[in-house]
Amino acid sequence: NAGVTQTPKFRILKIGQSMTLQCTQDMNHNYMYWYRQDPGMGLKLIYYSVGAGITDKGEVPNGYNVSRSTTEDFPLRLELAAPSQTSVYFCASSYGGRPEAFFGQGTRLTVV
Amino acid sequence: DQQVKQNSPSLSVQEGRISILNCDYTNSMFDYFLWYKKYPAEGPTFLISISSIKDKNEDGRFTVFLNKSAKHLSLHIVPSQPGDSAVYFCAASGGDMRFGAGTRLTVKP
Repeated sequence: NAGVTQTPKFRILKIGQSMTLQCTQDMNHNYMYWYRQDPGMGLKLIYYSVGAGITDKGEVPNGYNVSRSTTEDFPLRLELAAPSQTSVYFCASSYGGRPEAFFGQGTRLTVV
Repeated sequence: DQQVKQNSPSLSVQEGRISILNCDYTNSMFDYFLWYKKYPAEGPTFLISISSIKDKNEDGRFTVFLNKSAKHLSLHIVPSQPGDSAVYFCAASGGDMRFGAGTRLTVKP
């Protein structure tokens, strides 16, 4: 009964480094999302996917890349990390036709 | 472009009273509106939703009202309980899903 699983839970990156935030879901949901939440702010949509092989930009896609090769996995890639990418990242999934999304526990990323 | 807005960052109510959380949106193409609850160090959890073709949806102590002409929705919690203390996010769905900034609700015993 895992739901949406994100790894790692915490990470510290140096400026200019790259990393991939992993997200996997076992509910056979076709929609998946990546959000970031800055302190005191709401969730901003980075990228989303409506199915394997299909991705689309959200509100704040710059500095990130995604891929969706399977229904289960939706990794988020950060290239050339910058301090402005310090945030908590949430992955979510939903079943097309039903609006409610299920969220992972989040990844707290600090870029120094 | 803030399509979903929650203008009250915080709300404090007494236990047993009504909590009313408000949300405004700008995009008339949204077809579902949702409320999520978030505790510290956890991901948001779905609370209640409403379709754009309805004006009210009730689930136990939680009721969501939608006023399409005003592009406004609200969440009513009656009676409020200390365990309801959390950050509440309004969200709107229409292809993707957009969130407001959240309102921190504190219910005092």
